[in-house]
Amino acid sequence: DAGVIQSPRHEVTEMGQEVTLRCKPISGHNSLFWYRQTMMRGLELLIYFNNNVPIDDSGMPEDRFSAKMPNASFSTLKIQPSEPRDSAVYFCASSRATQETQYFGPGTRLLVL
Amino acid sequence: QKEVEQNSGPLSVPEGAIASLNCTYSDRGSQSFFWYRQYSGKSPELIMSIYSNGDKEDGRFTAQLNKASQYVSLLIRDSQPSDSATYLCASRNFGNEKLTFGTGTRLTIIP
Repeated sequence: DAGVIQSPRHEVTEMGQEVTLRCKPISGHNSLFWYRQTMMRGLELLIYFNNNVPIDDSGMPEDRFSAKMPNASFSTLKIQPSEPRDSAVYFCASSRATQETQYFGPGTRLLVL
Repeated sequence: QKEVEQNSGPLSVPEGAIASLNCTYSDRGSQSFFWYRQYSGKSPELIMSIYSNGDKEDGRFTAQLNKASQYVSLLIRDSQPSDSATYLCASRNFGNEKLTFGTGTRLTIIP
């Protein structure tokens, strides 16, 4: 069974450009989580969805960040415009149901120049 | 103060010894606790979860929880070089799917 799939795996962009990160959760999982990991702040939850509905977006840093989940098998995290301080590893995770184990994808390494 | 605190390390342990990783949390509403292992350049993977006070053993790993002291620990017996990784402690409140992570402890097992 395929795990969580993320694309791209690496992204280098210039400040001011739009960045779109993609995630496909494990089939049958109905909760999806977006995390950001930096050396300084560690692993932080940005937003999570349950049954495609955003439940908690309190971790989204500012209006430049937006996330969507148009269906059960796809989610995007968009940064517009990107800034150098957005450079981080962005992980997507999914779980089967509330209170179940979260499985992480391989992450997207984002570098904003 | 971060909600979940860990000593960032690095923690160096000789092969075959016991590695002890510690974590404290500030939110008394936290009900569930997790230990994730993250190899360099890889994603976190769950190795242990604990919900009740006391010890929980799984192979070479033992998780310990003391809710009165707001303290969680992970013991790794017979440490192997393959255990070298960053270990992340996380907490979750009842009825909430959100995990709050510590910044992780980097563990190195010395052959």
